[in-house]
Amino acid sequence: QKEVEQNSGPLSVPEGAIASLNCTYSDRGSQSFFWYRQYSGKSPELIMSIYSNGDKEDGRFTAQLNKASQYVSLLIRDSQPSDSATYLCAVSGGYQKVTFGTGTKLQVIP
Amino acid sequence: NAGVTQTPKFQVLKTGQSMTLQCAQDMNHNSMYWYRQDPGMGLRLIYYSASEGTTDKGEVPNGYNVSRLNKREFSLRLESAAPSQTSVYFCASSLSGTYSNQPQHFGDGTRLSIL
Repeated sequence: QKEVEQNSGPLSVPEGAIASLNCTYSDRGSQSFFWYRQYSGKSPELIMSIYSNGDKEDGRFTAQLNKASQYVSLLIRDSQPSDSATYLCAVSGGYQKVTFGTGTKLQVIP
Repeated sequence: NAGVTQTPKFQVLKTGQSMTLQCAQDMNHNSMYWYRQDPGMGLRLIYYSASEGTTDKGEVPNGYNVSRLNKREFSLRLESAAPSQTSVYFCASSLSGTYSNQPQHFGDGTRLSIL
């Protein structure tokens, strides 16, 4: 079992819809969770950090964390073609242990 | 407002050649990291430095060495390049010290091809 799992996609959504990206992790001691966006040929860019159970909203993005079920998700409202990218989930288990998922490719169809 | 700067951006090497990838950050971050990213493999940690003066192996350290020159700079060296080291290399930094509870910020990457 991979430590951080994401569906590789591609996840295709129409423009204006809500895109839902999911990530599960295996280390119950994980405490910090991050979502990165990576455009093709570019470097990962931090979108959201979340540290406690519940929802955290930032503009069109909402991160959701459920530590009991060991999953973290990212919702993108009013999806735009410019949101088309690969989204990486990263989970921190403490001492210099940050594990990245392999990413979900999102395609927003105009 | 440079953030994390990597040089070079592209490099082609022949098998057996050596080279050093340079990374510098201007955010006064404590921790620095080197990753490689290959298709379908995600980001894999090569080496990291939790603080100035310390370095530790990550998931895939074989064939690489690192130097934390000072708080700003963290270099990655390939002593004898092999085709399996063809990859995109990212340097990252984080405010975190010992505990990685802060996000990492990435440089633009170095695209390295070994023939």
